[in-house]
Amino acid sequence: EIVLTQSPGTLSLSPGERATLSCRASQSVSSSYLAWYQQKPGQAPRLLIYGASSRATGIPDRFSGSGSGTDFTLTISRLEPEDFAVYYCQQYGSSIFTFGPGTKVDIK
Amino acid sequence: QVQLVESGGGVVQPGGSLRLSCAASGFTFSSYGMHWVRQAPGKGLEWVAFIRYDGSNKYYADSVKGRFTISRDNSKNTLYLQMNSLRAEDTAVYYCAKDIRYFDVVVPAAFDYWGQGTLVTVSS
Repeated sequence: EIVLTQSPGTLSLSPGERATLSCRASQSVSSSYLAWYQQKPGQAPRLLIYGASSRATGIPDRFSGSGSGTDFTLTISRLEPEDFAVYYCQQYGSSIFTFGPGTKVDIK
Repeated sequence: QVQLVESGGGVVQPGGSLRLSCAASGFTFSSYGMHWVRQAPGKGLEWVAFIRYDGSNKYYADSVKGRFTISRDNSKNTLYLQMNSLRAEDTAVYYCAKDIRYFDVVVPAAFDYWGQGTLVTVSS
């Protein structure tokens, strides 16, 4: 089973700053099978990025994804107040889906 | 618009059973695979199970294999999760989620719509 590690655990930033979130896999992951989600307290997760770099419907272009193999990155170019949340990466392989432990982006 | 509405959660004793339902609308339910994902209180997301659009293939997380069964009724646009031999560690909010892939399209793999979740508490 592929294990995903996300870093940092918590990222403290101010609105307008750039956020860079990392997702590392224990084995190589096909880029087609790497996704990112945002979750706010009391809400369901929301798909942000699929296929490592494709934005989901309605997602602002300040969100971007990149990476390949075992290292993937979610970048938020300029944090808006509504972006403070927990972010999860997810991978699919061998009929199994796994999530990373999440990165919390909070207000500094 | 796409809507997924879970129901059936509640409090159950260890060893007991519960069946969750997820009513889908706003898309052609019979054309997409569906998932259950859970989140224990204060914890991260854990994928539970997947069912192919026609119900022919089902996959499970090791933590629930042999105890949980995913199924669907395409005539009723409804997804189910039968949970047996429940344990305290199964306590979580259970979400149903739609797979982004249409029919047998292989790539990409992601969950593009989620319900609001239903809380299952396993406690004596």
